Amino acid sequence: DTGVSQNPRHKITKRGQNVTFRCDPISEHNRLYWYRQTLGQGPEFLTYFQNEAQLEKSRLLSDRFSAERPKGSFSTLEIQRTEQGDSAMYLCASSLAGQAHYEQYFGPGTRLTVT
Amino acid sequence: GESVGLHLPTLSVQEGDNSIINCAYSNSASDYFIWYKQESGKGPQFIIDIRSNMDKRQGQRVTVLLNKTVKHLSLQIAATQPGDSAVYFCAEKGSGGSYIPTFGRGTSLIVHP
Repeated sequence: DTGVSQNPRHKITKRGQNVTFRCDPISEHNRLYWYRQTLGQGPEFLTYFQNEAQLEKSRLLSDRFSAERPKGSFSTLEIQRTEQGDSAMYLCASSLAGQAHYEQYFGPGTRLTVT
Repeated sequence: GESVGLHLPTLSVQEGDNSIINCAYSNSASDYFIWYKQESGKGPQFIIDIRSNMDKRQGQRVTVLLNKTVKHLSLQIAATQPGDSAVYFCAEKGSGGSYIPTFGRGTSLIVHP
């Protein structure tokens, strides 16, 4: 399977704990995006990397959230001191520079439940 | 503020019928509109886009219509199949210097065999 992969697929954590998600984009894609999606809503943009540079961050990305893409390949999204409001599906997507940003390929997502 | 939204949350159709999913937008400065399909347990999948200087664009079994006068676009699916059952999102190409798409609320399409 050469698509975008995300791990874990599901994560249940207690409020106050830290969690980290991983995204492996399509290998030749140099752009990588993180989104959050709640039930019935469209994905909400969180942040975007081109290679290892984090070029854009949404206001939704509070100081408890941090994303990295150290070598321009896989990316991690960490949420510190999780809150119940963080429960959502976290989607990763990738695309090629030179294509429109909206021509993204999405992964299956990581579903986070904060209890 | 600017928004992209859908008229109906759920649309039920019979297999073989044509489906029409509608979307209203408010940002007249948007220059691209995009439709995505999201199947259960998967991320959204790009279906088709339309530039604001076009009224109609056709793909494989899908047609998108854009009416800039009333700020409305629609996705028409011909001969709907059970595999078309999914949530459909319209999105606009980001404005204000960002080109990241802004998604509206989804419409769930249910195709009955």
